Amino acid sequence: ELKVEQNPLFLSMQEGKNYTIYCNYSTTSDRLYWYRQDPGKSLESLFVLLSNGAVKQEGRLMASLDTKARLSTLHITAAVHDLSATYFCAVGFGNEKLTFGTGTRLTIIP
Amino acid sequence: DTAVSQTPKYLVTQMGNDKSIKCEQNLGHDTMYWYKQDSKKFLKIMFSYNNKELIINETVPNRFSPKSPDKAHLNLHINSLELGDSAVYFCASSQDWGSTDTQYFGPGTRLTVL
Repeated sequence: ELKVEQNPLFLSMQEGKNYTIYCNYSTTSDRLYWYRQDPGKSLESLFVLLSNGAVKQEGRLMASLDTKARLSTLHITAAVHDLSATYFCAVGFGNEKLTFGTGTRLTIIP
Repeated sequence: DTAVSQTPKYLVTQMGNDKSIKCEQNLGHDTMYWYKQDSKKFLKIMFSYNNKELIINETVPNRFSPKSPDKAHLNLHINSLELGDSAVYFCASSQDWGSTDTQYFGPGTRLTVL
């Protein structure tokens, strides 16, 4: 069964700093997603990564995928308060269901 | 226009009651899902329908029964509610089953069982 682990689970960082969230998964995958969830809100799609070496960027967020290492990273550059949220990765393969990671609760401190 | 909508947004009820949550999507998608998010924010799929046909039925108590009257709607009925059913329930949809397209989530229904 596919297992998806994220670390760290909680991350508190200062504005202006850089940091990376890691998403490891246990078996073959052909797609990986990153979602953002604000407190009390729904999940918002950020990135879809479909191939080894894929890199996507939007504003201060950049996601990458290494299918050989079964690892995706979400890099935050020069964090701002608006990025405070919980970030989920989700992994799928073929016709299998998506499996979500545990989530990383990110708090940006002014 | 809201892409995936759910009603109600909040549901507070007593143990033993029966309740339903409704979901509608106007994206023209073929596949719809129900997820449960527990108090630790862990998100787990419960059911998935593709073109009104049940394709995923996870290890969920049979008190939970999904129904898809058409491709745009997926409802969730829960019988004999228990305290452990308290959670946020999200509906989602995607273009089709097995697609690499992202899933679009509804606003969630916060169910509290007293």
